[in-house]
Amino acid sequence: AQSVTQLGSHVSVSEGALVLLRCNYSSSVPPYLFWYVQYPNQGLQLLLKYTSAATLVKGINGFEAEFKKSETSFHLTKPSAHMSDAAEYFCAVSRFSGSARQLTFGSGTQLTVLP
Amino acid sequence: DTAVSQTPKYLVTQMGNDKSIKCEQNLGHDTMYWYKQDSKKFLKIMFSYNNKELIINETVPNRFSPKSPDKAHLNLHINSLELGDSAVYFCASSAPGETYEQYFGPGTRLTVT
Repeated sequence: AQSVTQLGSHVSVSEGALVLLRCNYSSSVPPYLFWYVQYPNQGLQLLLKYTSAATLVKGINGFEAEFKKSETSFHLTKPSAHMSDAAEYFCAVSRFSGSARQLTFGSGTQLTVLP
Repeated sequence: DTAVSQTPKYLVTQMGNDKSIKCEQNLGHDTMYWYKQDSKKFLKIMFSYNNKELIINETVPNRFSPKSPDKAHLNLHINSLELGDSAVYFCASSAPGETYEQYFGPGTRLTVT
């Protein structure tokens, strides 16, 4: 079964500091991996995706993630945090169920950005 | 224009009632989904559906049923509501061949009293 584990349910950084949100995956086949962001009282928005092409994936809002097979990781980073980055971040892995891919989400990481 | 919309945004009801949540997408997608997000923000797939196939997560009680009048709509019907059904329910959709990239609605917060 495919799953993801997010390390750290809460992460706080100062504005302008590096953001690092951790995600490790478990998969018996090459995974498709994703990061979604959820702003307060909103639905989820896709930040970036890894679909077995380039291992360094760039997403929206200055975020990027690197797929590391040897470490089974897909950590999300941003060089300089902005107040508007405060949100809940979810790592996810997809698997086929029937003809559609279904997403299995991690437990989420709440990012707080301090002024 | 809203890509994936849900109504209502908030729903407060009593135990034992039957309720529905509506979802509409104007993206031309052919696969739609329902997710449940609990109070700890944990997200779990409930259903995925296209014109040909309904995939039901085995943990979903049969009191929950998706109904699709057409390709752009996937409504969620819940019978005999229980306290544990209180959660935020998200609808999502995805394009043909890109079912891993899902577009989410704003959510419906259901409170059962």
